[in-house]
Amino acid sequence: AQSVSQHNHHVILSEAASLELGCNYSYGGTVNLFWYVQYPGQHLQLLLKYFSGDPLVKGIKGFEAEFIKSKFSFNLRKPSVQWSDTAEYFCAVNAGSSASKIIFGSGTRLSIRP
Amino acid sequence: SQTIHQWPATLVQPVGSPLSLECTVEGTSNPNLYWYRQAAGRGLQLLFYSVGIGQISSEVPQNLSASRPQDRQFILSSKKLLLSDSGFYLCAWRASGRVYTGELFFGEGSRLTVL
Repeated sequence: AQSVSQHNHHVILSEAASLELGCNYSYGGTVNLFWYVQYPGQHLQLLLKYFSGDPLVKGIKGFEAEFIKSKFSFNLRKPSVQWSDTAEYFCAVNAGSSASKIIFGSGTRLSIRP
Repeated sequence: SQTIHQWPATLVQPVGSPLSLECTVEGTSNPNLYWYRQAAGRGLQLLFYSVGIGQISSEVPQNLSASRPQDRQFILSSKKLLLSDSGFYLCAWRASGRVYTGELFFGEGSRLTVL
C-alpha cells in the first residue's frame, strides 16, 4: 500500500534559520507530490506541488521543494524562516492505480522562536 | 468562485447513535470529493473518496460509510457510533477534467465527540 512518511514530528527553529522538512513516499510509479500548510486556526492550503519537469519546485512564501525520484523523497526547504511560518506542514502524494487517491503524511509541527 | 460547505461544525453524540455529516461544493462540476479524519500527530487519514455520483472508494475498514447522492454532495454516515469515531473530519474537493490543477480545497471541518 502507498504511504507517506514525515519523520520530523516537531521542529523548533529560531528566526532566520534554514528549514528542511523531510517527506518520503512509497510507490514505484508516477506520482504527483504536494506540500500543504495549516496555520493556527486556518484551513490547509497548498504551498507547492510537483507534477513533472524540473524537480525543484518553488511555492508561495519563499518555500521550495526538491523531488528526488531515486530517494522517493520530496523535502521542503526555506532558506530563512520567519515567526509567521509557525504552522503544521503536510506532505501529500497522489499515486496508485486510481489517480484520484491522495494520501497525506502525519505532519510536521514547526515552531519558530522570535 | 468555488466554495465548500461542511456541517455541522460541532457534534456531540452518544455511543451507538447514528451519524450524518454533510458536505456540498458550489461553483464546479464533477469534482473529486474526499473525507479525511485529522488527528493530532497522525496527519490526515483518508477515509473515502469519490470521482462521481454513486462512486465511492473506501480506504479504511470501519463502521463509517460515505455516499454521493448528487454531483456536489458528499455524506459521511454511521449507523452506530463508537468512542473511537471521535475526531475532526474534513471534507475536501478537487477539480477534475480540463480544470484539473491537483489542488485540494478543504471545508471548515466537523468536530465529532462520541460520549
